[in-house]
Amino acid sequence: AQSVTQLGSHVSVSEGALVLLRCNYSSSVPPYLFWYVQYPNQGLQLLLKYTSAATLVKGINGFEAEFKKSETSFHLTKPSAHMSDAAEYFCAVIPANFGNEKLTFGTGTRLTIIP
Amino acid sequence: GAGVSQSPSNKVTEKGKDVELRCDPISGHTALYWYRQSLGQGLEFLIYFQGNSAPDKSGLPSDRFSAERTGGSVSTLTIQRTQQEDSAVYLCASSLRYEQFFGPGTRLTVL
Repeated sequence: AQSVTQLGSHVSVSEGALVLLRCNYSSSVPPYLFWYVQYPNQGLQLLLKYTSAATLVKGINGFEAEFKKSETSFHLTKPSAHMSDAAEYFCAVIPANFGNEKLTFGTGTRLTIIP
Repeated sequence: GAGVSQSPSNKVTEKGKDVELRCDPISGHTALYWYRQSLGQGLEFLIYFQGNSAPDKSGLPSDRFSAERTGGSVSTLTIQRTQQEDSAVYLCASSLRYEQFFGPGTRLTVL
């Protein structure tokens, strides 16, 4: 069975500072990995995805993530935080063999931006 | 183009009543998913429809929960004899392959 672990349920950074949200996966084979963002009272929006092509993935809103097989990680970063980045972020995984594409989510990280 | 839509956006019901939640997926998407988001359990998979195949119901928490997808498009999630622990946000998503697009969710409150 596959799973993802997000370290830190709450992260606070100052506006303009680096954002780093951590995600580690557990899977017998490298899976497909996703980062979603959820703003208050809204659904989930896809930020970026890793699907076994380039290991450094760029997404929307200036976010990027790097797939590191040796560390089983897929951490999300943004060089300079903006107030509008305040939201909850979820890392998710599906098996790469497309046997079943249901997402398994991490527990989420709430990002607070300090003015 | 139009995204995934869900209705109602909010539903308040009394314990023991039945509720129906609706999802309209993106046109042409063959896969449709239901997830539940609650404070205690996070985001949980409920059920998955793919084309004409039998749905994957492995995430449904009890036999009070059921879902159908008519004509390969609209889906309805039904919860019978609602309980307070059913209170949550129910999210629907659709996809062509692995990239899932989510609706805004239905917030269900069971009093």
